[in-house]
Amino acid sequence: KNQVEQSPQSLIILEGKNCTLQCNYTVSPFSNLRWYKQDTGRGPVSLTIMTFSENTKSNGRYTATLDADTKQSSLHITASQLSDSASYICVVRASGAGSYQLTFGKGTKLSVIP
Amino acid sequence: DTGVSQDPRHKITKRGQNVTFRCDPISEHNRLYWYRQTLGQGPEFLTYFQNEAQLEKSRLLSDRFSAERPKGSFSTLEIQRTEQGDSAMYLCASSPGEAGTDTQYFGPGTRLTVL
Repeated sequence: KNQVEQSPQSLIILEGKNCTLQCNYTVSPFSNLRWYKQDTGRGPVSLTIMTFSENTKSNGRYTATLDADTKQSSLHITASQLSDSASYICVVRASGAGSYQLTFGKGTKLSVIP
Repeated sequence: DTGVSQDPRHKITKRGQNVTFRCDPISEHNRLYWYRQTLGQGPEFLTYFQNEAQLEKSRLLSDRFSAERPKGSFSTLEIQRTEQGDSAMYLCASSPGEAGTDTQYFGPGTRLTVL
């Protein structure tokens, strides 16, 4: 069964500090992995996408890494801001014929406090 | 605003009533998806359309749920005889339908509360 596990479940950090969120997956065959940011009461917004051959992808203060061998990804946030408070969801897409195959993690809830 | 829109944003209903939600995707996106999200969980896939054709349905989509996309543009999700367990955020997403890295753009969701 395809699964995506995220840790920690929640995290509180001080404004300006860095943090790293983890994602482990068992989706196979692997196509790509995305990190989404979901503000409370809003729909998720894509931050980064990585395919099998990519190890690192940056989007401003967000840097995602992917180790396809160990099936692990991380999202590193530098110099956190209050607006980074949100849930961060790891989503893995399986490859294969046909249409749609996405597996979502439960998300890590990040709270940035002043 | 040219993003995905959903209506209503909030819906409170009594158990046993029927409800219908609407989703307007980004123009020219030929794929449309419905998800359900409960508190503290990631979105769960419900169903997916390629233009007007409903190509995939999750086992979560019981016979009380029906989705349509009659003209390949907007979509509706109807829940009949609502139950308290149906209380959740219902998210709609659309994508261009590109091969490989097809990005899904999510709407703000409709929060359903069944009393």
